[in-house]
Amino acid sequence: KQEVTQIPAALSVPEGENLVLNCSFTDSAIYNLQWFRQDPGKGLTSLLLIQSSQREQTSGRLNASLDKSSGRSTLYIAASQPGDSATYLCAVLKNAGNMLTFGGGTRLMVKP
Amino acid sequence: GAVVSQHPSRVICKSGTSVKIECRSLDFQATTMFWYRQFPKQSLMLMATSNEGSKATYEQGVEKDKFLINHASLTLSTLTVTSAHPEDSSFYICSARTPGLAYEQYFGPGTRLTVT
Repeated sequence: KQEVTQIPAALSVPEGENLVLNCSFTDSAIYNLQWFRQDPGKGLTSLLLIQSSQREQTSGRLNASLDKSSGRSTLYIAASQPGDSATYLCAVLKNAGNMLTFGGGTRLMVKP
Repeated sequence: GAVVSQHPSRVICKSGTSVKIECRSLDFQATTMFWYRQFPKQSLMLMATSNEGSKATYEQGVEKDKFLINHASLTLSTLTVTSAHPEDSSFYICSARTPGLAYEQYFGPGTRLTVT
């Protein structure tokens, strides 16, 4: 059974810092991995999707990497801003017909 | 990106009544939609997978007679909470999977259900 773990569970940084969020998964046979952002009381916003054949994806100040063999992904946020404060969730898809398995999330607070 | 809407965003109902939540994919056709439940400060828990034109597949421990799911078209899935109880109070989120090989999921904004 696939298990997804996110470390740290919570993180507080001053504005302007670069930071890395970690996601690990136990079964390396995945189809893709998605990073999401969730604001309090809101749904999930898809940030980046990495296919199993890819090593990284970039969108603006966000960069997600995938090391399938070691079962790890990182989300790098450059020059963090208070507006980046949210919970970040990673989720893996085992195969095309399956459902996402979510990590517990990292609650990020960026202080002005 | 693809947009998924949910309606209503908040609903308060009395115990014993039924509540219907709609999930729509606005700019793409979704053959598969998912329904999740989320408790405060916890991650999402998958309740069921909904395929257009067929019966939903429920996760273990989810009562299919209590949480009725109908995926009547390629852009609409509904979740009906029947005979609601206070313990059904939660945040319900749907998602829709884009067609094609990417299998990317897009999520709705969620529905906050409070049962009094």
